[in-house]
Amino acid sequence: AQKVTQAQTEISVVEKEDVTLDCVYETRDTTYYLFWYKQPPSGELVFLIRRNSFDEQNEISGRYSWNFQKSTSSFNFTITASQVVDSAVYFCALSGGYQKVTFGTGTKLQVIP
Amino acid sequence: DTGVSQDPRHKITKRGQNVTFRCDPISEHNRLYWYRQTLGQGPEFLTYFQNEAQLEKSRLLSDRFSAERPKGSFSTLEIQRTEQGDSAMYLCASSQGQTSTDTQYFGPGTRLTVL
Repeated sequence: AQKVTQAQTEISVVEKEDVTLDCVYETRDTTYYLFWYKQPPSGELVFLIRRNSFDEQNEISGRYSWNFQKSTSSFNFTITASQVVDSAVYFCALSGGYQKVTFGTGTKLQVIP
Repeated sequence: DTGVSQDPRHKITKRGQNVTFRCDPISEHNRLYWYRQTLGQGPEFLTYFQNEAQLEKSRLLSDRFSAERPKGSFSTLEIQRTEQGDSAMYLCASSQGQTSTDTQYFGPGTRLTVL
């Protein structure tokens, strides 16, 4: 069985601060994919990143960066210089082999101006 | 390239009524997924289609729920004899590929309220 744990339920930061959202996963598959999605108040999940389990290189996209550590089964997401528009619920998700996608419970990020 | 669309965006119904939701996936995507999301939770898988074939259904999908994807294009999700516990956001997603590891793109969802 797959499991995704996002222990941080809610985080509040002041604008321009950096913030890291944690994601820990469990799977028995040797090949799997990890995802992050953003869900703004409008409700639509917006795809942010997909990462293969064999690719442990960190990735940076603008103010977003992801740290994948297979040794600790973690796939953490950092927003640098946060902005009010970053306020949303962020979901980490996992899919292995032919299993369906399993989502975490999400972390609500509030960026205060 | 238009994204995934869902209709209606909001639905309020009385307990015992039937409701139907529609999802139009990204045009070239062969896979279509339905999820349910309740407050404070992540999306939970309900069912998915590869082209017109429904390949898997979650145990969350009771006999009152039925989904179709005629001709492998749009899909409908029908809930019969709605119950208050059915109140949730129903999300549709589509992807191109052969497995669930392919990136899924989500629609805006249909928020169902059962009174």
